Amino acid sequence: DAGVTQSPTHLIKTRGQQVTLRCSPKSGHDTVSWYQQALGQGPQFIFQYYEEEERQRGNFPDRFSGHQFPNYSSELNVNALLLGDSALYLCASSLAAGAKNIQYFGAGTRLSVL
Amino acid sequence: AQSVTQLGSHVSVSEGALVLLRCNYSSSVPPYLFWYVQYPNQGLQLLLKYTSAATLVKGINGFEAEFKKSETSFHLTKPSAHMSDAAEYFCAVSGDNFNKFYFGSGTKLNVKP
Repeated sequence: DAGVTQSPTHLIKTRGQQVTLRCSPKSGHDTVSWYQQALGQGPQFIFQYYEEEERQRGNFPDRFSGHQFPNYSSELNVNALLLGDSALYLCASSLAAGAKNIQYFGAGTRLSVL
Repeated sequence: AQSVTQLGSHVSVSEGALVLLRCNYSSSVPPYLFWYVQYPNQGLQLLLKYTSAATLVKGINGFEAEFKKSETSFHLTKPSAHMSDAAEYFCAVSGDNFNKFYFGSGTKLNVKP
């Protein structure tokens, strides 16, 4: 049973560019959440997708957008990249609504913005 | 609103010694609490979770945590540290219907031989 998979593992971009990160949830899971983990920090919630809609959003600008596909996989898009967007981006999947449901994390995509 | 505070960004113990990693939470609703471990260049792996059943929760690799509502704490312990426990540990709280996790800033555990 494959866990949460993310691609690519590493990415280098320059300021102003756009980037797309991808996530496949754990088998059977229908909810995908995205987190940003800056160096030396804990993960910060970006947004969550369920039934192909953004259900919850953290304190991130509109440059951060996402999508969920019918097969529950998800993409995170970041436009107009800033140096401060350099971070590890983590995708987590879980079963639908339920605060006590475990979130399973992928290994992340490390984005470097030069 | 929910938040987590992890006291001590770095903790160092000797192999075989007790491990104690501190986590205090703030939540306006009954919280669900989680401890995750992160090894270098990897994602987060669940150690254990508290979801309003037993207040003493046992997890993987010999770790356990006790939920203390009066102290708003959920400290992680392990009786005897092993070299393989060296990693970064994150406490997280959830409580709303959307399963949004709030993480602490993490504690790096160093285990000395």
